[in-house]
Amino acid sequence: EAQVTQNPRYLITVTGKKLTVTCSQNMNHEYMSWYRQDPGLGLRQIYYSMNVEVTDKGDVPEGYKVSRKEKRNFPLILESPSPNQTSLYFCASRRTHTQYFGPGTRLTVL
Amino acid sequence: AQSVTQPDIHITVSEGASLELRCNYSYGATPYLFWYVQSPGQGLQLLLKYFSGDTLVQGIKGFEAEFKRSQSSFNLRKPSVHWSDAAEYFCAVGVNSGGSNYKLTFGKGTLLTVNP
Repeated sequence: EAQVTQNPRYLITVTGKKLTVTCSQNMNHEYMSWYRQDPGLGLRQIYYSMNVEVTDKGDVPEGYKVSRKEKRNFPLILESPSPNQTSLYFCASRRTHTQYFGPGTRLTVL
Repeated sequence: AQSVTQPDIHITVSEGASLELRCNYSYGATPYLFWYVQSPGQGLQLLLKYFSGDTLVQGIKGFEAEFKRSQSSFNLRKPSVHWSDAAEYFCAVGVNSGGSNYKLTFGKGTLLTVNP
């Protein structure tokens, strides 16, 4: 089944403790991106990647890092999480102009 | 910059009634338009999309949407709502933005409640 997977689905952590949210797609898509969803703000793009080793900032990149060492994986790294990064995170991959989303990761930073 | 407006934050309809969710966009050219649905605790599922051609597009679950260039709108419709349609609906515009990036700009969503 063609899909985008994310892990973990739920995570509660404390301020300053580094964490990684993994994202993987099995559709051989070159383009992948990360969004965060917050009430009243909708979804906003954090980072995107056009291909392996090619990444760039989206609209709200502060406090996040990404890497793209393989086509299928695009992890999101929070090196020093803060409470304002509490959010619902979605990974997506794209074929032509249509993006396919993962199931989401609900992150709480205490 | 492009923007998407969903004027209705929350809509309540009775099961079996018709539904129309509004979406207006702001973009200089013809955008790629999408509707996604998010059920409680779930991810985003693509309902339908418009790129070009016939302005009335059909999607999954009995939904359709009509692109109206003159009104910069892409409203979502369903003739008869089912209780399982209760969810949050997002309209999105896909544009090329800043060099090689292509991204979706989302509206803030419309929450649909279905009464029995």
